[in-house]
Order: sequence, then structure tokens, then C-alpha cells
Amino acid sequence: DGGITQSPKYLFRKEGQNVTLSCEQNLNHDAMYWYRQDPGQGLRLIYYSQIVNDFQKGDIAEGYSVSREKKESFPLTVTSAQKNPTAFYLCASHSGLAGELFFGEGSRLTVL
Amino acid sequence: EDQVTQSPEALRLQEGESSSLNCSYTVSGLRGLFWYRQDPGKGPEFLFTLYSAGEEKEKERLKATLTKKESFLHITAPKPEDSATYLCAVQAWSNTGKLIFGQGTTLQVKP
Repeated sequence: DGGITQSPKYLFRKEGQNVTLSCEQNLNHDAMYWYRQDPGQGLRLIYYSQIVNDFQKGDIAEGYSVSREKKESFPLTVTSAQKNPTAFYLCASHSGLAGELFFGEGSRLTVL
Repeated sequence: EDQVTQSPEALRLQEGESSSLNCSYTVSGLRGLFWYRQDPGKGPEFLFTLYSAGEEKEKERLKATLTKKESFLHITAPKPEDSATYLCAVQAWSNTGKLIFGQGTTLQVKP
């Protein structure tokens, strides 16, 4: 079945450590996204990529980094510069101008 | 600035008690408005896309409508399995690469 796979589902990090969240899609979608979700808040855009080897900052990119070396993959690194990284992270994709995003199951990051 | 506001933040209904969720938006040229359902600890699941004022879409007990300033998600005779957070998002013609989400409405339907 086609879809988006995020891993790990749960991740614990010590302060000062970088961590990388994986996102893989087999939908042949061009565009991929990373959102952050905090309790009681909507989804906030971190980074997005509309084509391989290109990506743009979203509204809350500080303390995060991404790469898009392959169409299928869009990993997110949460760096030690991110002041409050504990959150639920969602990866999504869509094809062309179609607005419907397809989401992964999410990764919950907790900083100890 | 493009913005989406959903109300109420939380809604409790008895099974069978119909109601509506509101999504108010300001956007410079609306390309599309989207409704998603999100279960706890899961990724959002796509429900509807609306493109122009007056448009309506239906799926089981849900019906979404759109005006020039807001969208409503009507829930008719809800069941406990309709309990979830419902998210609204807009896409502007000026930047079709991103969706702007509201904060969501958490619906609880009691049997």
C-alpha cells in the first residue's frame, strides 16, 4: 500500500543532542512537508520541499534542518539549538497543485 | 497575513445531537479550504476540499460548506466514533506550496 512512513514513533532525547526523524513516502509525490503540533495548537510548518534538492523554510524553521536528496525521503534534524523541541512531529506529502496533504502517523519527541 | 481560526476549541455532544464546527479564514486569494480529522496520537486524515463559495461536500454524517469568510462542518446525528479533533486549513493562490492550519476543534460524542 502507498503511504508515508515516519520513524521512530517515539523518541527521547537528552538536552544538547541532535536527533533525526525519518520520513519516507512511496506515493511518488513531489512535495513533502514537516509540521510541528503542540497541545491545543494547530499544525505549524517547519520546512517544505517541492522538488528534490530544494527546500524552503516554514514559519518555525529555527533550530531545525532538512535535506531532500531523494524524492522519497525528507528527513528532519532537530538540533540542540531548538529551545523547546518536545512536540509531535508530522510529515506530509502531496502531488502537484492538489492541496490534499497525506500525513504520516507522526513522531513524538520528548526531551529529558 | 493569512489566518485561520476555528471555534469552538472543544465541543461535547450527546449521541444523536447535531451541531456545527466553524472555521473562519482570511487569505489573499483562496485556492482551497480543507477539512481533516485527527485521532489522538495519529496523523490527520483528509476529509474534504472546498474551492468556491456555495460549494458543499458530504460524507456520511459530515457535511462541509463554504462562504467567502468561513466554512462550517455540520455533524448530523453524531456517534461516539465521530469523536476526534477536526482541523481546517487554507491554501492561497499566492503560495500553493503550503497550507495554513487552524488550531482545531476537539469533538467528544457521548453515548
